[in-house]
Amino acid sequence: AQSVTQLGSHVSVSEGALVLLRCNYSSSVPPYLFWYVQYPNQGLQLLLKYTSAATLVKGINGFEAEFKKSETSFHLTKPSAHMSDAAEYFCAVRSQGGSEKLVFGKGTKLTVNP
Amino acid sequence: DAGVTQSPTHLIKTRGQQVTLRCSPKSGHDTVSWYQQALGQGPQFIFQYYEEEERQRGNFPDRFSGHQFPNYSSELNVNALLLGDSALYLCASSGGALNTEAFFGQGTRLTVV
Repeated sequence: AQSVTQLGSHVSVSEGALVLLRCNYSSSVPPYLFWYVQYPNQGLQLLLKYTSAATLVKGINGFEAEFKKSETSFHLTKPSAHMSDAAEYFCAVRSQGGSEKLVFGKGTKLTVNP
Repeated sequence: DAGVTQSPTHLIKTRGQQVTLRCSPKSGHDTVSWYQQALGQGPQFIFQYYEEEERQRGNFPDRFSGHQFPNYSSELNVNALLLGDSALYLCASSGGALNTEAFFGQGTRLTVV
């Protein structure tokens, strides 16, 4: 079975500060990993994905994440937060090949203070 | 490309009623998955349709059923609605040559009163 743990249901940063959202996963098979963003009353938008190529993955809006197999982690970072980054962020895992089912974490709500 | 489209955007139903939600996948995608997102939670997988068959199912009761049409669009049906079925229902489509990511629609907000 696969699972995702997002540490911190709420994260607050100042505008211009580093954003770090934590994600740890559990998977018995090689995983694909994803970060999605959700704005209020909206669907999910893909930020970035890891599909077993480069371990450092760059996504949209200046976000990036690093796959660390030894730590079973896929933390999301952005060097400088913008007000427009305020949203909820979800980490998700699925198997490489086989099932396309996504297993999501519970989400982290990011607040950006002026 | 219109992306994944869902209808309706909002819906209010009474306990015990039945509801049908609709989804049109992104162009070129042949697989549709449905997720339930309760308030303050991450999305939970309901089921997935491919070639008009249910390919995989999550831990949801038989009150939740679906259908996929030859044009790959899909419906989610929920019978005997409970207050706990109130949630955002998300449709995701995938497929194509690479098939490494799912694209989500805007969702249908279902409120059961």
